[in-house]
Amino acid sequence: GQQVMQIPQYQHVQEGEDFTTYCNSSTTLSNIQWYKQRPGGHPVFLIQLVKSGEVKKQKRLTFQFGEAKKNSSLHITATQTTDVGTYFCAGRRRAAGNKLTFGGGTRVLVKP
Amino acid sequence: GAGVSQSPRYKVTKRGQDVALRCDPISGHVSLYWYRQALGQGPEFLTYFNYEAQQDKSGLPNDRFSAERPEGSISTLTIQRTEQRDSAMYRCASSLALVTGSMNTEAFFGQGTRLTVV
Repeated sequence: GQQVMQIPQYQHVQEGEDFTTYCNSSTTLSNIQWYKQRPGGHPVFLIQLVKSGEVKKQKRLTFQFGEAKKNSSLHITATQTTDVGTYFCAGRRRAAGNKLTFGGGTRVLVKP
Repeated sequence: GAGVSQSPRYKVTKRGQDVALRCDPISGHVSLYWYRQALGQGPEFLTYFNYEAQQDKSGLPNDRFSAERPEGSISTLTIQRTEQRDSAMYRCASSLALVTGSMNTEAFFGQGTRLTVV
């Protein structure tokens, strides 16, 4: 079945620095979404990418969908303490209808 | 309601008992998902519905787990003869539309039900 992998599992970042987290699918995706889960909270939607090579920005966050629609990345610039949490990617395959499969997440810790 | 509501928020049950977890999705949402999330892990897909039809139950671990959504709104996830390994956070999510093109199909999650089997 479809697998979605994320690396790294943990990301320790100095406040003010940039970092990137990666998401890889074993199958071609129809779209990919990113979610953020704060400690003790539930996943909250950030963005959806649909087109091959698509790039979207939300303030300091830049999301990219790979050309082959099998991978994605999230880049955060000038990390702040408010960025603490776990970032999940979640993908859909056209053949699987509305099934949404999540990756294992990247847990981000920020050092002030 | 304003958001996805799950009940109970916490459930402690003895091994061997049956439990029923309830999810009340956002009104009008077509798709409803059940996930299980272990501490420090991503949401693990269990099953999902479009309207009242169960579309995919491939993630249900075994036949002790079942789910229904009889009227296309509220859903119940039932675990029979609970075991300690069933202890986890169970999350429900709903989304507005079926996937068509670039339509935004974000999933809205409830607060979850923390199940502890003792």
